[in-house]
Amino acid sequence: GAVVSQHPSRVICKSGTSVKIECRSLDFQATTMFWYRQFPKQSLMLMATSNEGSKATYEQGVEKDKFLINHASLTLSTLTVTSAHPEDSSFYICSARRASGNTGELFFGEGSRLTVL
Amino acid sequence: DAKTTQPNSMESNEEEPVHLPCNHSTISGTDYIHWYRQLPSQGPEYVIHGLTSNVNNRMASLAIAEDRKSSTLILHRATLRDAAVYYCILSDLNTGTASKLTFGTGTRLQVTL
Repeated sequence: GAVVSQHPSRVICKSGTSVKIECRSLDFQATTMFWYRQFPKQSLMLMATSNEGSKATYEQGVEKDKFLINHASLTLSTLTVTSAHPEDSSFYICSARRASGNTGELFFGEGSRLTVL
Repeated sequence: DAKTTQPNSMESNEEEPVHLPCNHSTISGTDYIHWYRQLPSQGPEYVIHGLTSNVNNRMASLAIAEDRKSSTLILHRATLRDAAVYYCILSDLNTGTASKLTFGTGTRLQVTL
């Protein structure tokens, strides 16, 4: 099956620093990727839709200047948490569908756990 | 997005069938019914999806009510590895690859020996 990989799987940073999380579709091309955030014991919350070659579409309440998304190629999207603070500590998960041969299935990465000290 | 309602939790014994219900009374004609599951500390995993007819795959079966206002995910023989949170989600796949999935609270399935 298709594989979506995230890196890093875990990251710890100091308050005020920026952290970049990569999301790669390893064996398929994805014109659209999705970024989710999940706090402990809660469900996934969609943050934004990442579009290859154009600006991301953010969900209501998600600060676009805080969570920078870049989708420069058909296999890579990045999420940068800028000036991270402890309240940004969360499990960040990306997902993607095949650009061609789409069966409707959304493939998810393993997630990246961010801890801001 | 049309909403779904699922029980917060369910329990099952290993090797027994499990029926996970989902209500979606406001489903539209173009909404597909998706099921994903999430194991602890992992990203969600696709289980199955359907539109009107019942669906079977190697993981599970999806039974869709005739009026489409409810559906049931069936795990034929639960194992300890099936312990996860199961999400029932509606999405209009006619919007193509940009079709979003909005997760609800899901059902936490516990499987015991």
